[in-house]
Amino acid sequence: ETGVTQSPTHLIKTRGQQVTLRCSSQSGHNTVSWYQQALGQGPQFIFQYYREEENGRGNFPPRFSGLQFPNYSSELNVNALELDDSALYLCASRPSGGRGFHEQYFGPGTRLTVT
Amino acid sequence: QKEVEQNSGPLSVPEGAIASLNCTYSDRGSQSFFWYRQYSGKSPELIMFIYSNGDKEDGRFTAQLNKASQYVSLLIRDSQPSDSATYLCAGDSGGSNYKLTFGKGTLLTVNP
Repeated sequence: ETGVTQSPTHLIKTRGQQVTLRCSSQSGHNTVSWYQQALGQGPQFIFQYYREEENGRGNFPPRFSGLQFPNYSSELNVNALELDDSALYLCASRPSGGRGFHEQYFGPGTRLTVT
Repeated sequence: QKEVEQNSGPLSVPEGAIASLNCTYSDRGSQSFFWYRQYSGKSPELIMFIYSNGDKEDGRFTAQLNKASQYVSLLIRDSQPSDSATYLCAGDSGGSNYKLTFGKGTLLTVNP
């Protein structure tokens, strides 16, 4: 157990709909990153939040957006869902500095299926 | 395009053997490298990270980094059937936003 939790575990949506995924980071971790992992691929970086601000973004369109809250929990929102958005969505947390800086731990993921 | 390349496998080894997993990367700005293990249907689990040239050992696992050759490897000694999983190699971006770039993973099967 990494202490990172995600909800829901599984989700089925229809093309064109919107979805919100949630993540609670490990205690003491103020940096949260989101990744998308398609079947048979490695995780792809979506974006990272630090102190409620986005401070890094991967090659994903603006319909992928996020939030981080004062308690460091985070949301990933995806608008206008497409079939290719079907994937495992992973949240990862780490401290912003100190000894554990390099150690990024993933939550269990949310499996999103778009039909 | 910054890339991390891994042999997709599958790599099959007998129980008790040494499994050797390899990875190359294109971004010379990457400072740290990570090995994650991912069981089918589960999320990636951090095994080790390395940021200095040379070897780093942790139990049955040894990570090796050669920055001149842009090469990272993971050795698993005394392989067990429970080691059967996909192993993901990742490199960091350097800088403050610290994103990880992952390879596609190598599927390892340890046969009893």
